[in-house]
Amino acid sequence: DQQVKQNSPSLSVQEGRISILNCDYTNSMFDYFLWYKKYPAEGPTFLISISSIKDKNEDGRFTVFLNKSAKHLSLHIVPSQPGDSAVYFCAASVAGGTSYGKLTFGQGTILTVHP
Amino acid sequence: DVKVTQSSRYLVKRTGEKVFLECVQDMDHENMFWYRQDPGLGLRLIYFSYDVKMKEKGDIPEGYSVSREKKERFSLILESASTNQTSMYLCASSPLVPIAYGGGYTFGSGTRLTVV
Repeated sequence: DQQVKQNSPSLSVQEGRISILNCDYTNSMFDYFLWYKKYPAEGPTFLISISSIKDKNEDGRFTVFLNKSAKHLSLHIVPSQPGDSAVYFCAASVAGGTSYGKLTFGQGTILTVHP
Repeated sequence: DVKVTQSSRYLVKRTGEKVFLECVQDMDHENMFWYRQDPGLGLRLIYFSYDVKMKEKGDIPEGYSVSREKKERFSLILESASTNQTSMYLCASSPLVPIAYGGGYTFGSGTRLTVV
Protein backbone atom coordinates (compact mmCIF):
# COMPACT_ATOMS: atom_id res chain seq x y z
CA ASP A 1 0.00 0.00 0.00
CA GLN A 2 1.82 3.06 -1.33
CA GLN A 3 0.68 5.97 0.82
CA VAL A 4 2.82 8.51 -1.04
CA LYS A 5 2.89 8.27 -4.82
CA GLN A 6 4.94 9.99 -7.47
CA ASN A 7 3.35 8.81 -10.67
CA SER A 8 5.91 10.27 -13.06
CA PRO A 9 9.13 8.22 -13.02
CA SER A 10 10.94 10.85 -15.05
CA LEU A 11 10.72 14.43 -16.30
CA SER A 12 12.82 16.20 -18.89
CA VAL A 13 12.92 20.02 -19.21
CA GLN A 14 14.99 22.65 -20.94
CA GLU A 15 17.32 24.88 -18.96
CA GLY A 16 15.57 28.09 -17.90
CA ARG A 17 12.08 26.60 -18.07
CA ILE A 18 9.87 25.53 -15.17
CA SER A 19 10.06 22.01 -13.71
CA ILE A 20 6.93 20.74 -11.97
CA LEU A 21 7.15 17.55 -9.93
CA ASN A 22 3.97 16.06 -8.56
CA CYS A 23 3.12 13.93 -5.54
CA ASP A 24 -0.13 12.42 -4.24
CA TYR A 25 -0.85 10.93 -0.84
CA THR A 26 -3.65 8.82 0.56
CA ASN A 27 -3.21 9.05 4.33
CA SER A 28 -5.26 11.99 5.65
CA MET A 29 -3.23 11.92 8.90
CA PHE A 30 -0.17 13.28 7.11
CA ASP A 31 0.33 16.90 8.08
CA TYR A 32 3.90 17.68 7.13
CA PHE A 33 5.45 17.24 3.70
CA LEU A 34 9.00 17.43 2.45
CA TRP A 35 11.00 17.21 -0.75
CA TYR A 36 14.42 15.59 -0.95
CA LYS A 37 16.92 15.66 -3.77
CA LYS A 38 19.34 12.82 -4.47
CA TYR A 39 22.39 12.73 -6.71
CA PRO A 40 23.91 9.36 -7.72
CA ALA A 41 26.23 7.87 -5.08
CA GLU A 42 25.06 10.38 -2.47
CA GLY A 43 22.40 10.32 0.22
CA PRO A 44 19.22 12.38 -0.23
CA THR A 45 19.42 15.98 0.96
CA PHE A 46 16.53 18.00 2.36
CA LEU A 47 15.22 20.61 -0.06
CA ILE A 48 12.02 22.23 1.18
CA SER A 49 9.05 21.44 3.40
CA ILE A 50 5.49 22.56 4.05
CA SER A 51 3.11 22.21 6.95
CA SER A 52 -0.54 21.37 6.34
CA ILE A 53 -1.56 24.75 7.77
CA LYS A 54 -0.04 26.39 4.67
CA ASP A 55 -0.72 25.99 0.99
CA LYS A 56 2.56 27.40 -0.31
CA ASN A 57 6.16 27.65 0.79
CA GLU A 58 8.92 29.31 -1.18
CA ASP A 59 12.71 29.13 -0.96
CA GLY A 60 14.59 30.82 -3.77
CA ARG A 61 13.93 28.95 -7.02
CA PHE A 62 11.93 26.26 -5.24
CA THR A 63 8.24 26.50 -4.33
CA VAL A 64 6.08 23.76 -2.87
CA PHE A 65 2.29 23.90 -3.23
CA LEU A 66 -0.10 21.85 -1.11
CA ASN A 67 -3.72 21.08 -2.01
CA LYS A 68 -5.11 19.25 1.02
CA SER A 69 -8.55 18.61 -0.43
CA ALA A 70 -6.97 16.84 -3.40
CA LYS A 71 -4.21 15.27 -1.24
CA HIS A 72 -1.72 16.58 -3.75
CA LEU A 73 1.49 18.54 -3.57
CA SER A 74 3.87 19.81 -6.20
CA LEU A 75 7.38 21.18 -6.37
CA HIS A 76 8.10 24.00 -8.83
CA ILE A 77 11.64 24.84 -9.84
CA VAL A 78 12.02 28.13 -11.68
CA PRO A 79 14.24 28.60 -13.59
CA SER A 80 15.54 25.05 -13.96
CA GLN A 81 19.30 24.57 -14.16
CA PRO A 82 21.39 21.57 -15.34
CA GLY A 83 22.64 21.17 -11.75
CA ASP A 84 19.05 20.43 -10.70
CA SER A 85 19.23 17.11 -12.56
CA ALA A 86 18.71 14.51 -9.82
CA VAL A 87 16.12 12.19 -8.32
CA TYR A 88 13.46 14.03 -6.32
CA PHE A 89 11.60 12.29 -3.53
CA CYS A 90 8.42 13.49 -1.94
CA ALA A 91 7.94 12.53 1.73
CA ALA A 92 5.18 12.87 4.30
CA SER A 93 4.96 12.69 8.06
CA VAL A 94 2.53 12.85 10.94
CA ALA A 95 3.78 15.56 13.27
CA GLY A 96 3.94 14.74 16.96
CA GLY A 97 2.60 11.74 18.82
CA THR A 98 4.69 8.61 18.58
CA SER A 99 5.62 9.07 14.95
CA TYR A 100 9.15 10.19 15.90
CA GLY A 101 9.21 12.13 12.68
CA LYS A 102 9.04 8.93 10.66
CA LEU A 103 8.87 9.78 6.96
CA THR A 104 7.02 7.90 4.25
CA PHE A 105 8.62 8.42 0.84
CA GLY A 106 7.33 8.29 -2.70
CA GLN A 107 8.98 6.34 -5.50
CA GLY A 108 10.98 9.30 -6.79
CA THR A 109 11.06 11.27 -10.05
CA ILE A 110 14.20 11.54 -12.14
CA LEU A 111 14.55 15.14 -13.33
CA THR A 112 16.82 15.87 -16.28
CA VAL A 113 17.48 19.49 -17.19
CA HIS A 114 18.99 19.90 -20.66
CA PRO A 115 21.33 22.83 -21.41
CA ASP B 1 30.12 19.80 9.12
CA VAL B 2 27.53 17.44 10.55
CA LYS B 3 27.65 13.93 9.30
CA VAL B 4 26.09 10.54 9.03
CA THR B 5 28.74 8.03 8.09
CA GLN B 6 28.09 4.58 6.69
CA SER B 7 31.04 2.26 7.10
CA SER B 8 31.06 0.80 3.59
CA ARG B 9 30.20 2.30 0.21
CA TYR B 10 30.08 -1.06 -1.60
CA LEU B 11 29.70 -4.60 -0.26
CA VAL B 12 29.47 -7.98 -1.97
CA LYS B 13 28.29 -10.88 0.16
CA ARG B 14 27.31 -14.49 -0.44
CA THR B 15 23.84 -15.92 0.07
CA GLY B 16 23.39 -17.11 3.64
CA GLU B 17 26.08 -14.87 5.14
CA LYS B 18 25.36 -12.69 8.15
CA VAL B 19 25.89 -9.08 7.12
CA PHE B 20 26.43 -6.02 9.32
CA LEU B 21 25.90 -2.49 8.04
CA GLU B 22 27.16 0.22 10.36
CA CYS B 23 26.03 3.83 10.68
CA VAL B 24 27.47 6.55 12.91
CA GLN B 25 26.19 10.12 13.41
CA ASP B 26 27.94 12.98 15.12
CA MET B 27 24.95 15.29 15.68
CA ASP B 28 23.72 13.86 19.00
CA HIS B 29 20.42 12.99 17.28
CA GLU B 30 17.91 10.85 19.13
CA ASN B 31 16.34 9.23 16.05
CA MET B 32 18.08 6.95 13.60
CA PHE B 33 16.61 5.13 10.61
CA TRP B 34 17.48 2.46 8.07
CA TYR B 35 15.92 2.63 4.60
CA ARG B 36 16.48 0.69 1.41
CA GLN B 37 16.16 2.28 -2.00
CA ASP B 38 15.04 0.24 -5.00
CA PRO B 39 14.11 1.49 -8.49
CA GLY B 40 10.40 2.16 -8.81
CA LEU B 41 9.83 1.62 -5.09
CA GLY B 42 11.52 4.68 -3.61
CA LEU B 43 12.80 4.62 -0.05
CA ARG B 44 11.24 2.05 2.24
CA LEU B 45 11.72 2.08 6.00
CA ILE B 46 13.24 -1.08 7.48
CA TYR B 47 13.71 -0.14 11.15
CA PHE B 48 14.09 2.96 13.25
CA SER B 49 15.25 3.81 16.74
CA TYR B 50 14.34 6.79 18.92
CA ASP B 51 16.65 6.02 21.82
CA VAL B 52 19.49 3.76 22.85
CA LYS B 53 18.38 0.12 22.93
CA MET B 54 14.96 1.11 21.56
CA LYS B 55 13.82 -0.03 18.12
CA GLU B 56 10.66 -0.05 16.08
CA LYS B 57 9.81 -2.02 12.95
CA GLY B 58 9.30 -0.09 9.78
CA ASP B 59 7.42 -1.19 6.71
CA ILE B 60 9.72 -4.02 5.57
CA PRO B 61 11.53 -5.51 8.62
CA GLU B 62 11.48 -9.14 7.51
CA GLY B 63 14.95 -10.64 7.22
CA TYR B 64 16.56 -7.74 9.12
CA SER B 65 17.38 -6.84 12.70
CA VAL B 66 19.02 -3.78 14.27
CA SER B 67 21.16 -2.84 17.22
CA ARG B 68 21.61 0.48 18.98
CA GLU B 69 23.94 0.14 21.94
CA LYS B 70 25.20 3.73 21.79
CA LYS B 71 23.37 6.90 20.81
CA GLU B 72 25.62 7.64 17.86
CA ARG B 73 25.65 4.17 16.30
CA PHE B 74 22.86 2.21 14.59
CA SER B 75 23.61 -1.15 13.00
CA LEU B 76 21.52 -3.05 10.47
CA ILE B 77 21.93 -6.83 10.45
CA LEU B 78 20.95 -9.18 7.68
CA GLU B 79 20.64 -12.48 9.53
CA SER B 80 21.03 -14.65 6.43
CA ALA B 81 21.57 -12.62 3.29
CA SER B 82 19.45 -13.41 0.25
CA THR B 83 19.61 -12.15 -3.32
CA ASN B 84 16.40 -10.14 -2.88
CA GLN B 85 18.25 -8.05 -0.29
CA THR B 86 20.52 -6.69 -3.00
CA SER B 87 19.84 -2.96 -2.73
CA MET B 88 21.07 0.50 -1.75
CA TYR B 89 20.85 0.91 2.03
CA LEU B 90 20.56 4.40 3.48
CA CYS B 91 20.96 5.40 7.11
CA ALA B 92 19.52 8.66 8.42
CA SER B 93 19.31 10.53 11.69
CA SER B 94 17.13 13.33 13.03
CA PRO B 95 16.37 15.18 16.25
CA LEU B 96 13.60 13.69 18.40
CA VAL B 97 11.12 16.22 16.99
CA PRO B 98 12.57 16.88 13.54
CA ILE B 99 9.73 19.11 12.42
CA ALA B 100 10.69 21.63 15.08
CA TYR B 101 14.08 21.82 13.37
CA GLY B 102 12.79 22.25 9.83
CA GLY B 103 11.78 18.66 9.39
CA GLY B 104 14.78 17.23 7.68
CA TYR B 105 16.66 14.04 8.12
CA THR B 106 20.41 13.89 7.52
CA PHE B 107 21.27 10.90 5.35
CA GLY B 108 24.47 8.98 4.91
CA SER B 109 25.88 8.36 1.43
CA GLY B 110 24.52 4.84 1.29
CA THR B 111 25.87 1.30 1.06
CA ARG B 112 25.35 -0.58 -2.19
CA LEU B 113 24.98 -4.22 -1.13
CA THR B 114 25.11 -7.02 -3.67
CA VAL B 115 24.23 -10.55 -2.53
CA VAL B 116 25.44 -13.28 -4.89
